Amino acid sequence: AQSVTQPDARVTVSEGASLQLRCKYSYSGTPYLFWYVQYPRQGLQLLLKYYSGDPVVQGVNGFEAEFSKSNSSFHLRKASVHWSDSAVYFCVLSGTGNYKYVFGAGTRLKVIA
Amino acid sequence: DAGVTQTPRHEVAEKGQTIILKCEPVSGHNDLFWYRQTKIQGLELLSYFRSKSLMEDGGAFKDRFKAEMLNSSFSTLKIQPTEPKDSAVYLCASSLGYNYAEQFFGPGTRLTVL
Repeated sequence: AQSVTQPDARVTVSEGASLQLRCKYSYSGTPYLFWYVQYPRQGLQLLLKYYSGDPVVQGVNGFEAEFSKSNSSFHLRKASVHWSDSAVYFCVLSGTGNYKYVFGAGTRLKVIA
Repeated sequence: DAGVTQTPRHEVAEKGQTIILKCEPVSGHNDLFWYRQTKIQGLELLSYFRSKSLMEDGGAFKDRFKAEMLNSSFSTLKIQPTEPKDSAVYLCASSLGYNYAEQFFGPGTRLTVL
């Protein structure tokens, strides 16, 4: 069975501070991992994805994520957050031959001045 | 490039009504997905099409929810009859359909059932 856990439902950080949003997955095969962001009253937008190679992947707007097979994790990071980063972030898992997504519950990020 | 289009953006229905939500996927995409999003349940898959063929119809949503792909560029989701518990955001997404292809999401339709 596949599953994704985002242990932090809500995260609050100050503008300009660094950010890490955690994601753990469970899957016995080769995982394909994604981070999406959802702004209010919008659909989900892709930030980045990992499917092979360098475990650190770069995404849009200064986001990056690091894949760890040993830890079954795919944490999202940003060096310096901006107020406009306030949104809900979803970690998503897909598997080989299975095009369906397994979603984490999401982490609501609030950036304060 | 046109992304995924969904209409209407908002829908208000009385209990027992039939409503039809519409989706136009990204041109050339093979896979189309319908999801329901609520605060409690998060994102749940309703239906999945590959090249217009229904691959999965979301189990628990079978009885009152019916998704169709009339052609490769248009899909509908019918809810009949609606119930207040159907109040949610309905998202449509499409992808090219290979292993690590990302899904492109529409803006969603917010349904309120009174």
